[in-house]
Amino acid sequence: QKEVEQNSGPLSVPEGAIASLNCTYSDRGSQSFFWYRQYSGKSPELIMFIYSNGDKEDGRFTAQLNKASQYVSLLIRDSQPSDSATYLCAGALYGGATNKLIFGTGTLLAVQP
Amino acid sequence: KAGVTQTPRYLIKTRGQQVTLSCSPISGHRSVSWYQQTPGQGLQFLFEYFSETQRNKGNFPGRFSGRQFSNSRSEMNVSTLELGDSALYLCASSLGGQGGVAATNEKLFFGSGTQLSVL
Repeated sequence: QKEVEQNSGPLSVPEGAIASLNCTYSDRGSQSFFWYRQYSGKSPELIMFIYSNGDKEDGRFTAQLNKASQYVSLLIRDSQPSDSATYLCAGALYGGATNKLIFGTGTLLAVQP
Repeated sequence: KAGVTQTPRYLIKTRGQQVTLSCSPISGHRSVSWYQQTPGQGLQFLFEYFSETQRNKGNFPGRFSGRQFSNSRSEMNVSTLELGDSALYLCASSLGGQGGVAATNEKLFFGSGTQLSVL
């Protein structure tokens, strides 16, 4: 079992809809989580990070964290074709023998005009 | 402000050779971390350097090594290349707070990567 798992997709949503991207993690020691967006042929760029249970909103993006269920999600409201990209979830383990940052393999989002 | 610069952009090597990749971080950033990205495994953390010292390390064999210079520029070296080392190698720069890449709000800024092909 991978430490951070994502559905590879593609997740296809119509323009204007809400896109819901999900991520599960296996290590309960994971303390914070990051969502990165990666356009085809480009480098990842940070969208949001979250470390407390609940929701965190930033513009059209909302990150949700449920530590009891070991579940992280990213909601994109009013999806636009320009949101079409691969979304990477990453979990951070801090405080052990070594600090680690573990990425999922990403979910490909396709927003249909 | 200039972004993260990685050189070279593309590399072709043969099995058994070694390779050195370079990364110049954003000015003022003291942490440089390295990642391997492949279609099957996704993005995997190699190691992080801060103040010329390796601070955190992923689960890669000793053939993968790195160093950081006093100006925060970093190099990654892979010795005795194998076919499976073919990948996109990304470096990321960050301010370098306590805990490094795993810190709660440590924002990573990625370079464009070096595409390594091993024949």
